[in-house]
Amino acid sequence: DAKTTQPPSMDCAEGRAANLPCNHSTISGNEYVYWYRQIHSQGPQYIIHGLKNNETNEMASLIITEDRKSSTLILPHATLRDTAVYYCIVRVGPSGSARQLTFGSGTQLTVLP
Amino acid sequence: KAGVTQTPRYLIKTRGQQVTLSCSPISGHRSVSWYQQTPGQGLQFLFEYFSETQRNKGNFPGRFSGRQFSNSRSEMNVSTLELGDSALYLCASSLNGELFFGEGSRLTVL
Repeated sequence: DAKTTQPPSMDCAEGRAANLPCNHSTISGNEYVYWYRQIHSQGPQYIIHGLKNNETNEMASLIITEDRKSSTLILPHATLRDTAVYYCIVRVGPSGSARQLTFGSGTQLTVLP
Repeated sequence: KAGVTQTPRYLIKTRGQQVTLSCSPISGHRSVSWYQQTPGQGLQFLFEYFSETQRNKGNFPGRFSGRQFSNSRSEMNVSTLELGDSALYLCASSLNGELFFGEGSRLTVL
């Protein structure tokens, strides 16, 4: 059963921030929120993950609500190369088994010129 | 540092044949996992190997098998191919739990 809910598609203007939401209302206390993206016909690419604090790296920022039932991935300055399917998943953190990695349908982000 | 390398990238087989796919993990990574991705089923876990031992197995029939070698390279084999086996097969390697995926092997069964 799906543990996350994401909108099927979103558009964003090039150079603007892309904000991708994810609902994970049944997240457990030991589960992290992970984001991956997949450009057509390529392997998924890890973006960022977090437990309860907001996280930022060179690719994106992750904002997790205080009740941890939802999160937002922010791409601060979207480029055409950011067009991809973005997957939000919840799993036990780095020590968890790879078996737990299950992608839902994701959000197709299209960055428009 | 080289990423995860999967070969072949594309292949076409006919029903009843068998196929072997190869995965070379990132240097130093000892864990390799395999996934099947199809438009209808999404990403599904196949197996996970660590130091030549299978740690976990997904819900796939026995026609799907795999192994890992002492150099951490891994292979998966699918015997008696069916049309439904057409998919993108992804390999991921990890060091401390974070997964890094290869580009995948796209199998078409005719």
